[in-house]
Amino acid sequence: AQTVTQSQPEMSVQEAETVTLSCTYDTSESDYYLFWYKQPPSRQMILVIRQEAYKQQNATENRFSVNFQKAAKSFSLKISDSQLGDAAMYFCAYNKRDYKLSFGAGTTVTVRA
Amino acid sequence: GAGVSQTPSNKVTEKGKYVELRCDPISGHTALYWYRQSLGQGPEFLIYFQGTGAADDSGLPNDRFFAVRPEGSVSTLKIQRTERGDSAVYLCASSLTGGLNTGELFFGEGSRLTVL
Repeated sequence: AQTVTQSQPEMSVQEAETVTLSCTYDTSESDYYLFWYKQPPSRQMILVIRQEAYKQQNATENRFSVNFQKAAKSFSLKISDSQLGDAAMYFCAYNKRDYKLSFGAGTTVTVRA
Repeated sequence: GAGVSQTPSNKVTEKGKYVELRCDPISGHTALYWYRQSLGQGPEFLIYFQGTGAADDSGLPNDRFFAVRPEGSVSTLKIQRTERGDSAVYLCASSLTGGLNTGELFFGEGSRLTVL
């Protein structure tokens, strides 16, 4: 079974600053997907960014970027120029190219004005 | 509707009662998933439907839990003889096809179940 570990229960960042969220995972697969999801108080999970394991280039979506280290099984999320609307719970998730997502326990991000 | 719709948004019930949670996926999405999110945890997979059939129900915790999708659209998650440990947010998601390599999962806002 795949396990996803997020070691930071909470992170705080000043508005306009940068914050990095950590994620490690365990798998014996060589080809898989990794995701970061945002869950605001509305509870709806929103896809932030996705990385395909066979692509060496780190994914980027506007202010969000990842540092994917395949050998280390590490997948961190960097939020640049943090905004108040970024405050939410963030989940790292793993998918072995099928239909099932395995999620970490999440990191709560607070943004200070 | 434009997104995945789940009802009720919140449900409070007493231990031992029967509960139904409904999910209306995005029109045209053949794949539907249920996840359970306990307090302070990430979502955990319960069941996956492809069309009308349950392709994988390995995440259902025990036989008190059952889900149906009779016409390949709306799905109902049914919980019999509820226990306090069933308290959680139940998330539904849908996707155009069943593999995440071909498309994105779209989640609803969940149904929060509280068993007293």
